[in-house]
Amino acid sequence: DQQVKQNSPSLSVQEGRISILNCDYTNSMFDYFLWYKKYPAEGPTFLISISSIKDKNEDGRFTVFLNKSAKHLSLHIVPSQPGDSAVYFCAASGNSGYALNFGKGTSLLVTP
Amino acid sequence: NAGVTQTPKFRVLKTGQSMTLLCAQDMNHEYMYWYRQDPGMGLRLIHYSVGEGTTAKGEVPDGYNVSRLKKQNFLLGLESAAPSQTSVYFCASSYDRLGQVYFGPGTRLTVL
Repeated sequence: DQQVKQNSPSLSVQEGRISILNCDYTNSMFDYFLWYKKYPAEGPTFLISISSIKDKNEDGRFTVFLNKSAKHLSLHIVPSQPGDSAVYFCAASGNSGYALNFGKGTSLLVTP
Repeated sequence: NAGVTQTPKFRVLKTGQSMTLLCAQDMNHEYMYWYRQDPGMGLRLIHYSVGEGTTAKGEVPDGYNVSRLKKQNFLLGLESAAPSQTSVYFCASSYDRLGQVYFGPGTRLTVL
């Protein structure tokens, strides 16, 4: 049973615009959320994270928003750049587990 | 500082053959993980370890065994390979549960 869901397999955005990637989770015990970025033929790399005690975390062009009541988080990329084209994985962990639970990923394409 | 390395990068096996995938990390991390990535399935946890000499099952452990004899190494074994094990395998490590998880470059395995 998928505990972390990314319902949009793909997203296409024009360069300079905002990219919004969404993620939902079902396990209320999750208290730490992360976004990973993956290029083809490479391993995923950490992008940004947020603890459940916060509702927003910002790092340069990347901002993650957490809505605990809705069990929803989103990643905003502003402005989007062609180099942002990659697969983005949402992940979550809780104090009852030792490993990250990943969503299926969203493939972002930023067009010039 | 090489981070997380995986050996080999590519491998083709025949059904029923065995092999071992080697993962090494030089960051003195306690936690190590093996994930597999399949199209449309995201990253699924096979086995993990929370310290030298410990291993535990993840989401999809059947058909795999692991060992963590040294803190820096985490081995994934396939005793009798099956076509369903055709996948890209990622090793990862982290300092603790809330630490950033670092991934290796992946091993692409094909079982004929």
